[in-house]
Amino acid sequence: GQQLNQSPQSMFIQEGEDVSMNCTSSSIFNTWLWYKQDPGEGPVLLIALYKAGELTSNGRLTAQFGITRKDSFLNISASIPSDVGIYFCAGTYMNRDDKIIFGKGTRLHILP
Amino acid sequence: KAGVTQTPRYLIKTRGQQVTLSCSPISGHRSVSWYQQTPGQGLQFLFEYFSETQRNKGNFPGRFSGRQFSNSRSEMNVSTLELGDSALYLCASSLALSGHTEAFFGQGTRLTVV
Repeated sequence: GQQLNQSPQSMFIQEGEDVSMNCTSSSIFNTWLWYKQDPGEGPVLLIALYKAGELTSNGRLTAQFGITRKDSFLNISASIPSDVGIYFCAGTYMNRDDKIIFGKGTRLHILP
Repeated sequence: KAGVTQTPRYLIKTRGQQVTLSCSPISGHRSVSWYQQTPGQGLQFLFEYFSETQRNKGNFPGRFSGRQFSNSRSEMNVSTLELGDSALYLCASSLALSGHTEAFFGQGTRLTVV
């Protein structure tokens, strides 16, 4: 079935650094979504992207829907301790299955 | 507007038992999807219900089943529990089928099988 390749799998950064992660697919997606999951909690929707080339910000977070519609990236500026968690990308595309597809996640660790 | 509510939050069961988890979607949402998440694994899709009908199913054995009621609330059942069923079970609700719109997650039910 369709898969999303999310990278990196994990990141160790210093507090205050900027972070960048991305997702790629072999198929065209209609929507890209980015979620964050805190330990022991459910994922929370951070940003939703609907159009190729769209760039959307949510506070220190910025995400873009790739022009080819096959990729998306998420940037976090000036990371803080509460940014720790797992970030998932997800995509939706019109197919006969009609279900959302998730990447395997990027685990973000912040060193003091 | 209330979010997605999953009950219970935590559950401990013994091998061989069966368990039922509940999910109340956001008001007005008609789709509920279920996922299993184990340490180090991503979100493994179990199934999706829309308007009381199962629309999609993942690659899980028949011990995992679900249903959706007319008020869109959903339950999932796992019979003959195995140790490997220990996981965080998440449900997500969507206005329409999850492939067409954003999905919003509940806090999950942490199931431990001993």
